[in-house]
Amino acid sequence: IAGITQAPTSQILAAGRRMTLRCTQDMRHNAMYWYRQDLGLGLRLIHYSNTAGTTGKGEVPDGYSVSRANTDDFPLTLASAVPSQTSVYFCASSEVSNQPQHFGDGTRLSIL
Amino acid sequence: QKEVEQDPGPLSVPEGAIVSLNCTYSNSAFQYFMWYRQYSRKGPELLMYTYSSGNKEDGRFTAQVDKSSKYISLFIRDSQPSDSATYLCAMTHPLTGRRALTFGSGTRLQVQP
Repeated sequence: IAGITQAPTSQILAAGRRMTLRCTQDMRHNAMYWYRQDLGLGLRLIHYSNTAGTTGKGEVPDGYSVSRANTDDFPLTLASAVPSQTSVYFCASSEVSNQPQHFGDGTRLSIL
Repeated sequence: QKEVEQDPGPLSVPEGAIVSLNCTYSNSAFQYFMWYRQYSRKGPELLMYTYSSGNKEDGRFTAQVDKSSKYISLFIRDSQPSDSATYLCAMTHPLTGRRALTFGSGTRLQVQP
C-alpha cells in the first residue's frame, strides 16, 4: 500500500543523545514535511522540503536538522536531545507544496 | 492570537446526530481549506479539501467555507461511533515561504452508541 513509513514508532532517549527519525514515501511526491504535535498546540511545522536537494525552516526549527538527498527520504535529526523535544513527530508529503498533505503514523519520542 | 482557532471539545453526541465542527481564522490570505480526521495513535487522514466559498459534499461529510466571515465548518450527517476521532482543520496560502499547512489544534468528537 502506497504511503509514508516512519521509524521508529516510539523511542525513549536520554537527554544529550543524538537521534534520527526516518521517513520514507513511495508516492513520488515532491514536497515533504516534518511536524511535531503537542497537546493544546496542534501540529507545528519543523522543517520542509519542496523538492529533493532543498530544505526550509518551519515554525519551530531550533534543535532539529533535515536533509533531502533524494525524493523518497526525509530524515529528521535531533543533534542533542532535550526534554522539551518530547513530542509526537509526524512526517507528511504532498505532490507539490500548498497541496493536501498525506501523513505517516508518527514517532512518539520521549526525552528523559 | 493563533491564526486558526478551533474549539478543543470534547464534543459528545448520540449516534445518528448531525455534528457541526468549526474553525475561525484571522489571515484573509488563506485560500485552500482542509479537514483531517485523526484517530488515536494514528496520523491525520485527509477528509475534505476545498478552495472556494460554499459547500462541498462527500457522502456523509459536507465542508462549508465562508471567506467573508473567515469561518469554515465540517458537518457530519448520521454520525457513527466510528466517527469518534479528533478533527483538525487546516489551511494554506500561496505567499512565498509559507509552504505548509496551518492547523487548528483539533476538536475531539465522541459519538455514543
